[in-house]
Amino acid sequence: DGGITQSPKYLFRKEGQNVTLSCEQNLNHDAMYWYRQDPGQGLRLIYYSQIVNDFQKGDIAEGYSVSREKKESFPLTVTSAQKNPTAFYLCASSTPGRSKESTEAFFGQGTRLTVV
Amino acid sequence: QKEVEQNSGPLSVPEGAIASLNCTYSDRGSQSFFWYRQYSGKSPELIMSIYSNGDKEDGRFTAQLNKASQYVSLLIRDSQPSDSATYLCAVNEGGGFKTIFGAGTRLFVKA
Repeated sequence: DGGITQSPKYLFRKEGQNVTLSCEQNLNHDAMYWYRQDPGQGLRLIYYSQIVNDFQKGDIAEGYSVSREKKESFPLTVTSAQKNPTAFYLCASSTPGRSKESTEAFFGQGTRLTVV
Repeated sequence: QKEVEQNSGPLSVPEGAIASLNCTYSDRGSQSFFWYRQYSGKSPELIMSIYSNGDKEDGRFTAQLNKASQYVSLLIRDSQPSDSATYLCAVNEGGGFKTIFGAGTRLFVKA
């Protein structure tokens, strides 16, 4: 089955630790995204990538890092510089449509990160 | 900063009624518009996409787009308790890859 797989589903981080969230897709999509969602809030864009070996900062990139070494994979590292990392993290992918139209994003099941 | 605005709700409608969800956006260059449904603790799933002015119908759902007014809406006919969720409006920025989400409207359908 095609889809997006995020792991782990739940993750606990100690103060000062870096943690990496995994995101893998087998949809052959070019673009991949990381969003953060806080309780009762919408999705805020952390980073996105249109092609392999290229990525751009979203609206809240500080304290996060990403890599895109393979088309299928877009891992997100939450560094110790992110002071309030407790949130629900969503990975998504999409592929460009016809002129100036983007197709919809497909989401993974999410990773819930908690600082302990 | 490009913005997508939604009424946070909650919007409460009786079973069988029409639920109307509204969204405004600030980027006049946007070309793609989406409605996602998100159940509590779950990831968003696509309900509708719309690219041209006017109405687009899919089953009980109708999306409406007015680019001149920078307004997009979602109508849910014959609302069911299973429609109770948060509905997210999403807009792509200026024809590019970046998609901006609204904060969502919580919908409750009372049986």
